[in-house]
Amino acid sequence: NAGVMQNPRHLVRRRGQEARLRCSPMKGHSHVYWYRQLPEEGLKFMVYLQKENIIDESGMPKERFSAEFPKEGPSILRIQQVVRGDSAAYFCASSAGTGGYEQYFGPGTRLTVT
Amino acid sequence: DQQVKQNSPSLSVQEGRISILNCDYTNSMFDYFLWYKKYPAEGPTFLISISSIKDKNEDGRFTVFLNKSAKHLSLHIVPSQPGDSAVYFCAAITTWAGNQFYFGTGTSLTVIP
Repeated sequence: NAGVMQNPRHLVRRRGQEARLRCSPMKGHSHVYWYRQLPEEGLKFMVYLQKENIIDESGMPKERFSAEFPKEGPSILRIQQVVRGDSAAYFCASSAGTGGYEQYFGPGTRLTVT
Repeated sequence: DQQVKQNSPSLSVQEGRISILNCDYTNSMFDYFLWYKKYPAEGPTFLISISSIKDKNEDGRFTVFLNKSAKHLSLHIVPSQPGDSAVYFCAAITTWAGNQFYFGTGTSLTVIP
């Protein structure tokens, strides 16, 4: 399966703990995007990364949230000191960056903060 | 500030009939539009897209229409099939200003057998 992979699919954290969400883009894709979907809402852009670079993080909360896409390995979305309001589905998408503008999405990680 | 809006949260259509899903946007800088389909517990799946230089794009049973003056696009599915039952999101992008997608809130389509 050469699609976008995300893990874990479900993550439960207690308030104050850290959450790490991983995303492996489609083979050949070097652009990664993270989106968050809150209940009853559409997907909201968080951050756009290329290998080792953050291109646009305008949708990311200024505190507690960070993202990286290292030279080797998956992209990581890290949420420190989680709060109940962080409970959401987090989707990663990837694109080739050249040619079409389509982004291809992973299955998402559902984060529940108790 | 919701720049892309889908004002119908749900739609029910009889199998074999046409499904029309609507989407409105406010930002005149958007120049590329996409439709995604999403099943529960899965990520969105790309369906069809259209550039702002066109007013129609067709792919099998799916056709997207763009009315730039009205800042409105629609997705037509004909004939509708039960497997089309899903949530449909429209998305918009300003291609020269980065790759950030702006998504609507989705329309849940139910195709009744």
